[in-house]
Amino acid sequence: DTEVTQTPKHLVMGMTNKKSLKCEQHMGHRAMYWYKQKAKKPPELMFVYSYEKLSINESVPSRFSPECPNSSLLNLHLHALQPEDSALYLCASSQVGGGPIEQFFGPGTRLTVL
Amino acid sequence: GEDVEQSLFLSVREGDSSVINCTYTDSSSTYLYWYKQEPGAGLQLLTYIFSNMDMKQDQRLTVLLNKKDKHLSLRIADTQTGDSAIYFCAEAPYGGATNKLIFGTGTLLAVQP
Repeated sequence: DTEVTQTPKHLVMGMTNKKSLKCEQHMGHRAMYWYKQKAKKPPELMFVYSYEKLSINESVPSRFSPECPNSSLLNLHLHALQPEDSALYLCASSQVGGGPIEQFFGPGTRLTVL
Repeated sequence: GEDVEQSLFLSVREGDSSVINCTYTDSSSTYLYWYKQEPGAGLQLLTYIFSNMDMKQDQRLTVLLNKKDKHLSLRIADTQTGDSAIYFCAEAPYGGATNKLIFGTGTLLAVQP
């Protein structure tokens, strides 16, 4: 199983809502990532978890709150978002350690903030 | 900081070769990568090259690396309509120690039948 799944596929939320994005992998990977991708732009790294611990936070606003409850699951909790946060949110996973980093990506959650 | 730069758009005819170019920024990158993103999908790793190599061939894909100029290219032989997608190069700064990837600006490849 080389698949990373993400739910929901689409999400529309108001600026006062609280919602969560979910990501799951069963490849035994111990690194998991959240990226934000605006239209016609490259993915921008938001967070990296390594062995279920947050290892990189790319100065992301606190209205985005990541959580890694176990080695297979990654969540992104959203609260009080702004319209400019509308984007495709991609989850990825990979092995940890030396050698090439093959990140496996999910299909993404298309988020619209009204 | 500096961007990893790619040309925006490339159009080729089916059966021709495509060459996508990338200028990266971090000379400590141990590996350099090429990813493909089809419409409405996540990214898929196509290939990578170790920094002490100057060429790698993988079926229809050929990667060339010029470390002196920090220039990377991806050649797709016999390009097919299914190759139409956005292609991103990526570098792993700090020698890859952090598992972090920095993606290039992306090149949209359009293959005409």
